[in-house]
Amino acid sequence: AQSVAQPEDQVNVAEGNPLTVKCTYSVSGNPYLFWYVQYPNRGLQFLLKYITGDNLVKGSYGFEAEFNKSQTSFHLKKPSALVSDSALYFCAVREPWAGNNRKLIWGLGTSLAVNP
Amino acid sequence: DAMVIQNPRYQVTQFGKPVTLSCSQTLNHNVMYWYQQKSSQAPKLLFHYYDKDFNNEADTPDNFQSRRPNTSFCFLDIRSPGLGDAAMYLCATSRDTADTQYFGPGTRLTVL
Repeated sequence: AQSVAQPEDQVNVAEGNPLTVKCTYSVSGNPYLFWYVQYPNRGLQFLLKYITGDNLVKGSYGFEAEFNKSQTSFHLKKPSALVSDSALYFCAVREPWAGNNRKLIWGLGTSLAVNP
Repeated sequence: DAMVIQNPRYQVTQFGKPVTLSCSQTLNHNVMYWYQQKSSQAPKLLFHYYDKDFNNEADTPDNFQSRRPNTSFCFLDIRSPGLGDAAMYLCATSRDTADTQYFGPGTRLTVL
């Protein structure tokens, strides 16, 4: 069965420092991988995705993620954190087959706190 | 701007009183989803429509129903809300089920 793990419930980082939010996955075949961000009392905003191609994916707001097939990871990164990046981050995976009933499998989320 | 709109943003209902949440989209996407999210947990998919085809998740209670009268609109009906149904309800759309999902701002439901 496919699954997603976000091993850290919370990540704390100082403003200006690099940040990493971790995600590992388990899926048969080649995964479709997504990162979303959620600010308090808001819907989820799409950040970036990996389907195929270059392992380093660049997304919104200066975020990027690196797909590592051997480690089955898709960690979210940003070179210099902003206080406004403080939010809840979700990693999700989808099987690339299975017809029209494909759905996203979500990680449990990681709360990022960027301290001034 | 193309977007996903949810109304209302906040809904208060009484225990057992039916409530309907609304979602509309200007993206002309084929797929519309309804998720339930509690207390900063991961979103839980309730069901989705691919065009007019309704796909219910196996563990979605019968208390939750949905309607999609046209491409642009999708409704979530909760027939008899219980206290455990208090949550954020998120609508999302995508071009097809393999594509990126785009979310609305959510409706926070309170059950008194």
